[in-house]
This record gives sequence, structure tokens and C-alpha cells, in this order.
Amino acid sequence: DVKVTQSSRYLVKRTGEKVFLECVQDMDHENMFWYRQDPGLGLRLIYFSYDVKMKEKGDIPEGYSVSREKKERFSLILESASTNQTSMYLCASSLGPDRAQETQYFGPGTRLLVL
Amino acid sequence: RKEVEQDPGPFNVPEGATVAFNCTYSNSASQSFFWYRQDCRKEPKLLMSVYSSGNEDGRFTAQLNRASQYISLLIRDSKLSDSATYLCVVNGNQFYFGTGTSLTVIP
Repeated sequence: DVKVTQSSRYLVKRTGEKVFLECVQDMDHENMFWYRQDPGLGLRLIYFSYDVKMKEKGDIPEGYSVSREKKERFSLILESASTNQTSMYLCASSLGPDRAQETQYFGPGTRLLVL
Repeated sequence: RKEVEQDPGPFNVPEGATVAFNCTYSNSASQSFFWYRQDCRKEPKLLMSVYSSGNEDGRFTAQLNRASQYISLLIRDSKLSDSATYLCVVNGNQFYFGTGTSLTVIP
């Protein structure tokens, strides 16, 4: 069974703080993704990675960066948290290399509140 | 225009009813299609892929109409446990998620 874990279920941070969200998958998947989910907007892709040390911007990368130093770990970084980054953050992974056909497996999500 | 559009609902149906959801997509070059289910405050999980010829998994039937660019999900004999949000997902060069359709099955 694929397992995707995220470092925190709930986080409360203050405006301007640097925030790290960690995601780990245990199935040797090549592809990893970070989304945020907001009411009425659905899931929106922030960044994704198809290989170690590789990253590509999704639809809403502004205010975020990512790091993938190891295959199993994909980190999302909010350099200076702002209140409009309050959201549910979901990490996902998929096997690779056929990105178009593959199921994405999601972690349990991190609810981030920025005060 | 959104890549994927769904009726948000909510759909409130009695147990045993048949309910259908539709989803339209804008990119005619989209390659693969999925329905995911998301329970309240949980992560999305794959319900089923959608194949060109249509496919069935127990009480669930998914269909794809490429000409009209929509996919559908039919749930027969609804159970209380079917209550969830159903997300339509379309993949071209990346995955695009609909905002979800909320279903509540009432005893």
C-alpha cells in the first residue's frame, strides 16, 4: 500500500515566518506534487518534481519554493508566510514515468493557518 | 475559463437512489480522466479511472464523451457511505482537478 506522509496535520504560524512543509513517500515514486485546496477553488498545483533535484512550477508558485534532495522527500517552503497562504496543503506522488496515465496518491494534508 | 468544471451541488439523495454527476473539461488534447473521492477533512483518493469505452466498478459507472468534452459518474443504489465530495480530474500536461461535487445520502 502506498503511503504518503506529511510532517504536520495542523500548523499555526505568524505573518512573515518561514514555514517548511515536509512530505515523504515510501513507494519509490518518481513524481511528487504540492497542491493547495481552498473552498470553491479546488486543488491548485503549486510545484511538482519528476526527479531528484528537479522542480517545475505549477499554476500558483508565487510565494513558494520547493526542495527535493532525496527521491522520497519533497519539501514545500513558504519563505515569508502571508495570511493569503492560509489553506490546506496536500502532497501527492505518482509512480512515473507515464505521467499522463498515473494515479496520484495523496498525503493526509496540512491545514496551515497564518495569523 | 477553468480547465475542469463541475456542478458543486450539494446533491442530497435518499438511500437506494441513483445519482449522476457530470464534469466538463476545456482542453480537447486531454489524455486521461479520473474520478477521486474526498471525505470531509481527508485527502482525495482515487475512485476510478475513466476509459474511452466507459467502465464499471460495482455500483459505479464512469463514461467519457470526447466529442462533447465531458465525463460522468453514475452511482446506483446509493449507500450512506457514499456521502463525500467527488472530484473530477483531467490530465493533459498536468493534472487538473474540478472543485468537487458534494453528495449526501440520506437514510
